[in-house]
Amino acid sequence: DAGITQSPRYKITETGRQVTLMCHQTWSHSYMFWYRQDLGHGLRLIYYSAAADITDKGEVPDGYVVSRSKTENFPLTLESATRSQTSVYFCASKRKDRRVGEKLFFGSGTQLSVL
Amino acid sequence: QQQVKQSPQSLIVQKGGISIINCAYENTAFDYFPWYQQFPGKGPALLIAIRPDVSEKKEGRFTISFNKSAKQFSLHIMDSQPGDSATYFCAAEGRGAQKLVFGQGTRLTINP
Repeated sequence: DAGITQSPRYKITETGRQVTLMCHQTWSHSYMFWYRQDLGHGLRLIYYSAAADITDKGEVPDGYVVSRSKTENFPLTLESATRSQTSVYFCASKRKDRRVGEKLFFGSGTQLSVL
Repeated sequence: QQQVKQSPQSLIVQKGGISIINCAYENTAFDYFPWYQQFPGKGPALLIAIRPDVSEKKEGRFTISFNKSAKQFSLHIMDSQPGDSATYFCAAEGRGAQKLVFGQGTRLTINP
């Protein structure tokens, strides 16, 4: 089925380790986003990308790295994981919508625990 | 600093009642205000959206009310049903900004 696929669904890691979260879309949406969801903070933007090889920082980029060599993939890397990065991570892509103007499509999320 | 402030954090409503969730913003450059709905274990999904050229938008049981002068907007769910139990996020985006800023979320529970 077409859509956004995130992997892994769950991940447990230790502080200091490098972790990569994968995101793949089967459409060809130009814009893709990474958000983290934490209780009391809602969804906060980490990084986003306007197209292949074009990325930009969001609200909370520190400790994260992204790349986008192909339009369909947008991986997020935690270079040296910290406990404060324990969160649920959502990838999304955006499409223009005649009815509502634009629409974000979210993956099912990756629940990351840093011990 | 939270650019979009959402309240309440949690809300319990009886079946058939009206659920109301409020959001406030400071940035007058915002010109697009969507609401997203999230069920447990799933990503958020677009529910309804409004632009500031109208004061209200209705889709079925869901209505957005927008007050530009007060910089506030709210989601009203009429005849609330147990299936509406979810987390709701308001959001805002500035013209040309291409990225949404989300509120803190409201966990809505509809009691049968």
